Amino acid sequence: AQKVTQAQTEISVVEKEDVTLDCVYETRDTTYYLFWYKQPPSGELVFLIRRNSFDEQNEISGRYSWNFQKSTSSFNFTITASQVVDSAVYFCALSERDSSYKLIFGSGTRLLVRP
Amino acid sequence: KAGVTQTPRYLIKTRGQQVTLSCSPISGHRSVSWYQQTPGQGLQFLFEYFSETQRNKGNFPGRFSGRQFSNSRSEMNVSTLELGDSALYLCASSLEVSNSGANVLTFGAGSRLTVL
Repeated sequence: AQKVTQAQTEISVVEKEDVTLDCVYETRDTTYYLFWYKQPPSGELVFLIRRNSFDEQNEISGRYSWNFQKSTSSFNFTITASQVVDSAVYFCALSERDSSYKLIFGSGTRLLVRP
Repeated sequence: KAGVTQTPRYLIKTRGQQVTLSCSPISGHRSVSWYQQTPGQGLQFLFEYFSETQRNKGNFPGRFSGRQFSNSRSEMNVSTLELGDSALYLCASSLEVSNSGANVLTFGAGSRLTVL
């Protein structure tokens, strides 16, 4: 069965601190995709990154970086030098090869960045 | 380029009533999926449509239904509303480059339903 676990319910940091959001997934499929989405107070889910199961290369995009480790079934997300605008709920999600439109979401991590 | 548009944004209904929510996908996107978001259950997949056909349905009762029109716009309907149906209903569209799990979903801002 597929499952995504985000153990951190809420994280509070002071602006400019680095913060890592954890994501652990379960799947029996060998081909799968992992995603991170951000949900600001306005409600819509904003796509941040997609990673497929064959690509374990870490990725950096500005202040954001992602660490994908198949050995530990983890896909963690780090924000460097956090800003108040980063405050949102962040969701990790999994989709499998034969269900491209069906995302299995984690419960989300609420990040509060204080000035 | 317009994003995914959902209407209405907010609505209040009473138990037993029915509701219809609308979703206009990004132009050119043929896949539309629906998700329910509640504090208790989180984000859960409802169903997905492609070319007017429902391809998959999540684990929801038959009171939840949907359809897609020839212009890719989609509607979902919930009949005989229950208090537990109060939720944010999110629609997402996808370009459907391939049916391989790689498609990125673009979400709308949602329709927040309150059932009294």
